[in-house]
Amino acid sequence: KAGVTQTPRYLIKTRGQQVTLSCSPISGHRSVSWYQQTPGQGLQFLFEYFSETQRNKGNFPGRFSGRQFSNSRSEMNVSTLELGDSALYLCASSLSGGRAMNTEAFFGQGTRLTVV
Amino acid sequence: KQEVTQIPAALSVPEGENLVLNCSFTDSAIYNLQWFRQDPGKGLTSLLLIQSSQREQTSGRLNASLDKSSGRSTLYIAASQPGDSATYLCAGVGGFQKLVFGTGTRLLVSP
Repeated sequence: KAGVTQTPRYLIKTRGQQVTLSCSPISGHRSVSWYQQTPGQGLQFLFEYFSETQRNKGNFPGRFSGRQFSNSRSEMNVSTLELGDSALYLCASSLSGGRAMNTEAFFGQGTRLTVV
Repeated sequence: KQEVTQIPAALSVPEGENLVLNCSFTDSAIYNLQWFRQDPGKGLTSLLLIQSSQREQTSGRLNASLDKSSGRSTLYIAASQPGDSATYLCAGVGGFQKLVFGTGTRLLVSP
């Protein structure tokens, strides 16, 4: 069974540009979450999607957005990139369900974004 | 606001030792608690998920316990091996799959 796939693995962008990251969850998983990992802040929750609906959102500026498609694949977009957006972006998938039906989360290898 | 703390921040042990990693959380209203390991530059590998109705989970040489009333979880690693060297992270799972992570414990097991 294939795991969570994130593309691309590495990205270098210039300040002010925008970027789109992609995440394909484990087959059958309908919940996809995104996290940002930096040395200073650790792992921070960005948002979660289930059946194409955003159910939960972290404390990030509106420059960070996401969406989920009918096949559960998800993308996140960061507009007007800043140097501080340099980070490892991780995607997690799970079966999930209702608010309290939290199941095991499986993570991809991440996309390393460097903003110069 | 949920806060998760892990102690110690770093740990260095010789191969074969049994060890305990600690995780504490401020909000007992978590649904589950999940332990992960992360190798340098890589993603997270799920080790154990403890649901709120459970007290512990075991997988091979790993055993994790959860005490919601005291806001604590421990990960016990038996007979440590050099391949266990990694950063270990615990995460409290809130509503809608929101994981709140601790800062991690960096483990080094020497041959």
